Amino acid sequence: DTGVSQNPRHKITKRGQNVTFRCDPISEHNRLYWYRQTLGQGPEFLTYFQNEAQLEKSRLLSDRFSAERPKGSFSTLEIQRTEQGDSAMYLCASSFLAGGTDTQYFGPGTRLTVL
Amino acid sequence: DAKTTQPTSMDCAEGRAANLPCNHSTISGNEYVYWYRQIHSQGPQYIIHGLKNNETNEMASLIITEDRKSSTLILPHATLRDTAVYYCIVRVLGGATNKLIFGTGTLLAVQP
Repeated sequence: DTGVSQNPRHKITKRGQNVTFRCDPISEHNRLYWYRQTLGQGPEFLTYFQNEAQLEKSRLLSDRFSAERPKGSFSTLEIQRTEQGDSAMYLCASSFLAGGTDTQYFGPGTRLTVL
Repeated sequence: DAKTTQPTSMDCAEGRAANLPCNHSTISGNEYVYWYRQIHSQGPQYIIHGLKNNETNEMASLIITEDRKSSTLILPHATLRDTAVYYCIVRVLGGATNKLIFGTGTLLAVQP
């Protein structure tokens, strides 16, 4: 078990460009979550998948954001036409419902800087 | 999910116990108390969770009051590596939403 992995760890882009982040959950975890964290704040929920189905999306997930989990394994988060306000740490977490508990384990995050 | 209240910051001497309080006075009967921590520039790390009873694992102990309106996370022998932001979260399991709602947490500074 290598934990949740995220790539890239850092991304610098110019305003208006598109970026895509990847998350590989812990093996056998059927639930996957994306969060966003800005400086000095706690993480904020963006979206949640159970297997390949996207079951919940936050109001924070504007139409420039899209997330997929095509085969119920890894997930991608794409931001189109990036804005400076998109600069943040993007965190992925995964979990598996067992015995009534569903503990989310987080990856190291992808830090996005939009110039 | 119920809201939690935590002190903004706390100090603790290395080797001493760190006791981090959390108030969750509006907690419902089916809401669990979760604790995570986040070391600078890393992803949040799960510590422990509980419903009613006190819980202990290799990282920490969780003490929940009988009325469940508050809890305390105890790090028995704090080290410099325990310096982090600690988040207390209440969450329904199996509810309509599975998201974690983070506040601003408590910044624990362990002093040498």
